[in-house]
Amino acid sequence: NAGVTQTPKFQVLKTGQSMTLQCAQDMNHNSMYWYRQDPGMGLRLIYYSASEGTTDKGEVPNGYNVSRLNKREFSLRLESAAPSQTSVYFCATRSTDTQYFGPGTRLTVL
Amino acid sequence: DAKTTQPNSMESNEEEPVHLPCNHSTISGTDYIHWYRQLPSQGPEYVIHGLTSNVNNRMASLAIAEDRKSSTLILHRATLRDAAVYYCILNPLNTGNQFYFGTGTSLTVIP
Repeated sequence: NAGVTQTPKFQVLKTGQSMTLQCAQDMNHNSMYWYRQDPGMGLRLIYYSASEGTTDKGEVPNGYNVSRLNKREFSLRLESAAPSQTSVYFCATRSTDTQYFGPGTRLTVL
Repeated sequence: DAKTTQPNSMESNEEEPVHLPCNHSTISGTDYIHWYRQLPSQGPEYVIHGLTSNVNNRMASLAIAEDRKSSTLILHRATLRDAAVYYCILNPLNTGNQFYFGTGTSLTVIP
């Protein structure tokens, strides 16, 4: 029972490159979330998915797209990376009243 | 967006109780109070949550003021493993889709 897994753990991109961050959960939860955490800051919600086939914008969605591929997987795509997207990205799922977070992906955009 | 205010940092001696305060003067009647903590280089983890009454679990206790404008997370005996950033979060209607983390309180535990 792995909980919430994220790949990759680390990534370095050049400005303008694209990439997809992967998230998978084995907890059978409907809701999944993507957050970013900048140095010294709390987490900010990028996108969320209340159930398979639905996605909604969070607090900071600009520059990102998401796909809820199935109940287990929720991916985050950066189409044209910018230095301002350098951050640690966390995926989470939610049960009735608790969120469970993955270990994070540390992304640097040069 | 319902906001919370926490001290930037606190220190505690090991095996002493720790009281982490949070002010949320603009809380609405349907906002649940959640606490999460983030250990170094890890994702946040759930600690406790409540609406109006004080709550206890194996990790901590949550004391909520009668007017709900403030709350306190209580760690009964701090250990070195409790050193983390603690976030007080207001979650409208307990939906989970509006979690505003703020900057939290960084707790240092002194051996």
